[in-house]
Amino acid sequence: EVQLVESGGGLVQPGASLRLSCGASGFTFSSYAMSWVRQAPGKGLEWVSSIHGYGGDTYYAQSARGRFTISRDNAMNMLYLQLNSLRPEDTAVYYCAKTLSGTSPRQDYFQYWGQGALVTVSS
Amino acid sequence: QSALTQPASVSGSPGQSITISCTGTSNDIGDHNYVSWYQQHPGKAPKLIIFDVSNRPSGVSNRFSGSKSGNTASLTISGLQAEDEADYYCSSYTSSTTLYVFGPGTKVTVL
Repeated sequence: EVQLVESGGGLVQPGASLRLSCGASGFTFSSYAMSWVRQAPGKGLEWVSSIHGYGGDTYYAQSARGRFTISRDNAMNMLYLQLNSLRPEDTAVYYCAKTLSGTSPRQDYFQYWGQGALVTVSS
Repeated sequence: QSALTQPASVSGSPGQSITISCTGTSNDIGDHNYVSWYQQHPGKAPKLIIFDVSNRPSGVSNRFSGSKSGNTASLTISGLQAEDEADYYCSSYTSSTTLYVFGPGTKVTVL
């Protein structure tokens, strides 16, 4: 059974940093691209970032580029999202998601999702 | 502002069929068939219910079907059931540096 468990969320002040983690199990982690998708309170879904199964290629939404960094540790079956220079508009539940098909995050889908980690940015 | 457009809400009675539209552009939905739909119940994570415009993942009811014409994709729920009451999001791969775009979501209400 595929399981994705996010951790690391919390309340931070504007300008602060936070690192989200996602532990994966139930599948060959390195064989699949992984992504982060966020959802602001009462709002819709927004793709944030994706990373190739081997970790070499990364992709970011315009809102995340230059502030967020996605990474993975295939030996530990872990996905990470480093959030820097946080803004109030980054307040959201951050979901990690496994792609459907394979190692490339391109032309794929978010097959399995974690339960989400809430990040609140407020002074 | 979402890159894709969906109606805010759609409702129907049990047993009826409803259709949710999702309109994009020639840069996303109109450019390829990497269109998907996600179901989200309150307080829960989204669930993939349609991919490649019209394919269902294993375990998803065949009451859910998808289609596409031009820049518009559609999700049809047949034989509406109380458990179908949820938010539904369309999504499309894009060829730009923004890999994926979502619609704003449609709230389905079973009357």
